[in-house]
Amino acid sequence: RKEVEQDPGPFNVPEGATVAFNCTYSNSASQSFFWYRQDCRKEPKLLMSVYSSGNEDGRFTAQLNRASQYISLLIRDSKLSDSATYLCVVNMEYGNKLVFGAGTILRVKS
Amino acid sequence: DTEVTQTPKHLVMGMTNKKSLKCEQHMGHRAMYWYKQKAKKPPELMFVYSYEKLSINESVPSRFSPECPNSSLLNLHLHALQPEDSALYLCASSQDGARVTGYTFGSGTRLTVV
Repeated sequence: RKEVEQDPGPFNVPEGATVAFNCTYSNSASQSFFWYRQDCRKEPKLLMSVYSSGNEDGRFTAQLNRASQYISLLIRDSKLSDSATYLCVVNMEYGNKLVFGAGTILRVKS
Repeated sequence: DTEVTQTPKHLVMGMTNKKSLKCEQHMGHRAMYWYKQKAKKPPELMFVYSYEKLSINESVPSRFSPECPNSSLLNLHLHALQPEDSALYLCASSQDGARVTGYTFGSGTRLTVV
């Protein structure tokens, strides 16, 4: 089983749609979780951390379900500029190692 | 603009060449990382430096040699690379507790081995 698994997509959605991505992780001892965004031929950029209580940043909401070992990202009112690859990132229990999922491709169309 | 600076942005090298990739950050981060990313794949960890000491080597071939001269600088020395080593090489840094804060990435060096 992969350490971090994501549906690769692509998710093709119209502008204004709500879209959700899920990610599962294998190590129950993992403590920290993040969503990164990566545009084509660019570096990954931190979108948001994911907290146990869930957190929201504008149109973006992240949730963590420790019992089922998955995290989610919800994007409301999708914009063309949201088109990117969204990477689920989980720390391993030791050291500073973060493991990346394969990424989910989002394409928002007008 | 990224706060982690990588040079060069692009590099083409022959299989017999020796070259170095450089990374610099001035955020006071104490952990620095090298990742390798192939097209349409996620970044894969190569090395982790914590407080200027190598703490993780993900079984990377010896033709890749990391160096951390001080807390702000990270180098990756390349020698006798193969064409399959062509990729985007990303440097990242974090406060010591990456578990809490995540990484900040540089914009990468796009390496082509011919």
